[in-house]
Amino acid sequence: AQRVTQPEKLLSVFKGAPVELKCNYSYSGSPELFWYVQYSRQRLQLLLRHISRESIKGFTADLNKGETSFHLKKPFAQEEDSAMYYCALQGGGGNKLTFGTGTQLKVEL
Amino acid sequence: DAGITQSPRHKVTETGTPVTLRCHQTENHRYMYWYRQDPGHGLRLIHYSYGVKDTDKGEVSDGYSVSRSKTEDFLLTLESATSSQTSVYFCATGVEWNTEAFFGQGTRLTVV
Repeated sequence: AQRVTQPEKLLSVFKGAPVELKCNYSYSGSPELFWYVQYSRQRLQLLLRHISRESIKGFTADLNKGETSFHLKKPFAQEEDSAMYYCALQGGGGNKLTFGTGTQLKVEL
Repeated sequence: DAGITQSPRHKVTETGTPVTLRCHQTENHRYMYWYRQDPGHGLRLIHYSYGVKDTDKGEVSDGYSVSRSKTEDFLLTLESATSSQTSVYFCATGVEWNTEAFFGQGTRLTVV
């Protein structure tokens, strides 16, 4: 079975402060991990995936297989980062895509 | 937006009635998914498909069935709607392994 855990429902930070959204996973194979973001009144969209090792909008995420984590980080939060963030794991023969419960990020001025 | 449309966008139905939600894609993506989004639960997978007539259950499949008779359409049916199925339903598609999933706009279903 595959499982994704996001322990924080809400994370509130001040503009310019560092951000870390936590994600832990459970999967018996080699996982493919993603972060998706949902801005207000918009569709859910891909933010980044671990295999590409890229930085999108200043966000990065490192896969730590020892700790089974894939935390999302940004050094300086911006007001436009306020959104719902979902960690997701893809695995299994049918390309099953499982999401965590999401973390609402609120960036305050 | 990857040509994914969901219909209807909003629906109110009575307990015990059957309901079918449609997801239509124009991208020829192989994989399709149905999720429900509820406060505190995030996105939970209901059913998914890895090809025409190839479907499997997700984590919250009870009370739901799906069909995929052609690549572009993935139907979600609530055989007998209950109030616990009041939710926002999202469809998503995917091209292949480890690639981006594309989401529809969502369908808000209310069961009264």
